[in-house]
This record gives sequence, structure tokens and C-alpha cells, in this order.
Amino acid sequence: DAGVTQSPTHLIKTRGQQVTLRCSPKSGHDTVSWYQQALGQGPQFIFQYYEEEERQRGNFPDRFSGHQFPNYSSELNVNALLLGDSALYLCASSLERLQETQYFGPGTRLLVL
Amino acid sequence: GDSVTQMEGPVTLSEEAFLTINCTYTATGYPSLFWYVQYPGEGLQLLLKATKADDKGSNKGFEATYRKETTSFHLEKGSVQVSDSAVYFCALSVGSGGGADGLTFGKGTHLIIQP
Repeated sequence: DAGVTQSPTHLIKTRGQQVTLRCSPKSGHDTVSWYQQALGQGPQFIFQYYEEEERQRGNFPDRFSGHQFPNYSSELNVNALLLGDSALYLCASSLERLQETQYFGPGTRLLVL
Repeated sequence: GDSVTQMEGPVTLSEEAFLTINCTYTATGYPSLFWYVQYPGEGLQLLLKATKADDKGSNKGFEATYRKETTSFHLEKGSVQVSDSAVYFCALSVGSGGGADGLTFGKGTHLIIQP
């Protein structure tokens, strides 16, 4: 049973560029959440997708956007990258029907130069 | 807004010592509370959770009790092992109660267990 997978594992971008990160949820899960974890900090909630729509959003600017596909996989897009966007981006999945706790992927480490 | 405060690390203990990592929270409504653990080189894993006041979550010898009166959810273990070395995160979720909603995390406590 595959867990949550994310790609790529590492990424280097320059300021002003755009980036897309991808996530495949745990088998059977239909809800995907994204988090940003800066070095030495706890993860911060970006947003959550369910039924291909953004259902909840944390305190992040509109430069952060996402998408969920019919197969429940998800993308996180960040436009106009800033140095402060350098972080580990975590994807978590859950099953809406059971309201279970979220399972996390290994993350994508983004470095903005 | 919702927030979680946990003790600063690193916390260094000898093997078989008693562990307490303090966690307090501020939340609107009635949150569910969680402890997640991040082992070196691995992703976040749920350690235990409690969804209502006075519930006790437990797993792998770790325990935490949801104390509404003190807004706390302290993590304890009676005898730690070297393999418990990791970063521990306290978190809350205000929603339907199961933890599927967006989580608010503390900053994490780095635990180091020496043989």
C-alpha cells in the first residue's frame, strides 16, 4: 500500500520564477492538504483540497495556488518566488468520510536563490 | 487565531529517563490535539491524538492527556530509548474532530537520547 508520494524531492529556483510541486495521496484517500515547513519551524497550513476544490486556506498570499485532479492527486503552484519561500513543502492526505488524521509525505525541499 | 506553544529544545536525556515535553494551546472552539514525530530523514508521523477533554492518547509507550482546564497536552514517556531521538510536534485541529482539517503546529522539540 503506497503512502503519500511527492515530487520532486529537491528543487532549486531563482527569485521571480514559478514552481509546481506534485503530490499523490495515500491509496483510498480523497483529501489533500499542503504545508510549508521553514527550517527549524513547525509546518504551516497552506490549503486543503477536497472534491477538486479548495476547502480551507491558511494565511498565505495568492501567489500560492493549487489544484486537485479527479484521481485525487494534487499540485501546489507558487508564483513570483521570494527568497523566503525556501522551505520543505509537505503534502498530507486523509479520507473525508472517516475524518481520519492526515498522513504526510516526505516533502519537497525548495531552495530559492 | 489558533496557536500551539511547546517547550524549546533540544532536550537531552539519558536512556531510560522519564520524558515530559510540554505543550499548551489557544484555540477557538473545541480542538482535537495531536503529537507528531519526525525521525531523522523521514516524514511526519502521527504519534497519538485525543479528540475531547480528558481523553488520553497513547502509542509506543508515549502518553498525553487532553486537559481543557489548563489548555495543555503534555507528552510523557516513562523510559526513553535511543530510538526515540527525533523532533516532536504538538498540533491542533479545529473542525469536525477527526483531524482531517488543517493542522496548526508548534515549532517542534528536538529530543536527543544518549546511551
